[in-house]
Amino acid sequence: GENVEQHPSTLSVQEGDSAVIKCTYSDSASNYFPWYKQELGKRPQLIIDIRSNVGEKKDQRIAVTLNKTAKHFSLHITETQPEDSAVYFCAATRGGAQKLVFGQGTRLTINP
Amino acid sequence: EPEVTQTPSHQVTQMGQEVILRCVPISNHLYFYWYRQILGQKVEFLVSFYNNEISEKSEIFDDQFSVERPDGSNFTLKIRSTKLEDSAMYFCASSGIGQGKETQYFGPGTRLLVL
Repeated sequence: GENVEQHPSTLSVQEGDSAVIKCTYSDSASNYFPWYKQELGKRPQLIIDIRSNVGEKKDQRIAVTLNKTAKHFSLHITETQPEDSAVYFCAATRGGAQKLVFGQGTRLTINP
Repeated sequence: EPEVTQTPSHQVTQMGQEVILRCVPISNHLYFYWYRQILGQKVEFLVSFYNNEISEKSEIFDDQFSVERPDGSNFTLKIRSTKLEDSAMYFCASSGIGQGKETQYFGPGTRLLVL
C-alpha cells in the first residue's frame, strides 16, 4: 500500500524567512496530494492541494510543487509569520473518495 | 462556511466499555471517514463509508469497531469493548461529489481516553 515519508520532523525558521517541507510517496497511482495544518488540539485544516496533472500551485504565501517522476512533493511557505507555527501534514491518495495516507508531520516554529 | 462537527469533544471510559463517537458531516457531502491520531503521531485512516456501506477499512478497524449512519445527518463510530490502546483523538471527515470528493474536511475531533 501507499507509504508517505515527510521531512523534516521539526523545522525552526526566523520570521520572514521561507520554510520548505518535503514528502515522498510510494504508490505511483496516487494522484491527489493535500497539505493540512494542525494547530495544537485542533482539527487538521486543508491549506493547499495539488493534483497529479499539475506541477505547481500557489496561493498567496503558500505553494506546493509535485514531481511525479521522482514521487515527491513539497510545501513552500514564504515570508513566514508567527501564526504559521503549527504541525503540517502532507497526504497522498489515489483520488476519488479514497483514504488519505498521511506523512509523519512537521512541527514548524516561527521565531520572532 | 459549513463545517464537520463532532460530539463529545472529550470522552473518558473504562477498559471494556462501549463508546459511541458522533459526527455530523457537511450537509451535501456523500463520503464519510474516520481517522485517529495517537498523541504526537500521524493521522491514521480507519474506515470510509458511502451509500450506507463501508468502502474501505484499515487493519486497525477490527471487529470491535463499527460505523453507522442512523439518520440523514449523523455518522457514528462505535467501539464495542475499548482497550487502553484505543486512547487517541478520533477525527471524522467528509467529502463531496465530483472532483470535490477528493477533498476531505475534518471535524474538531473527539479525544478518547481509556482507563
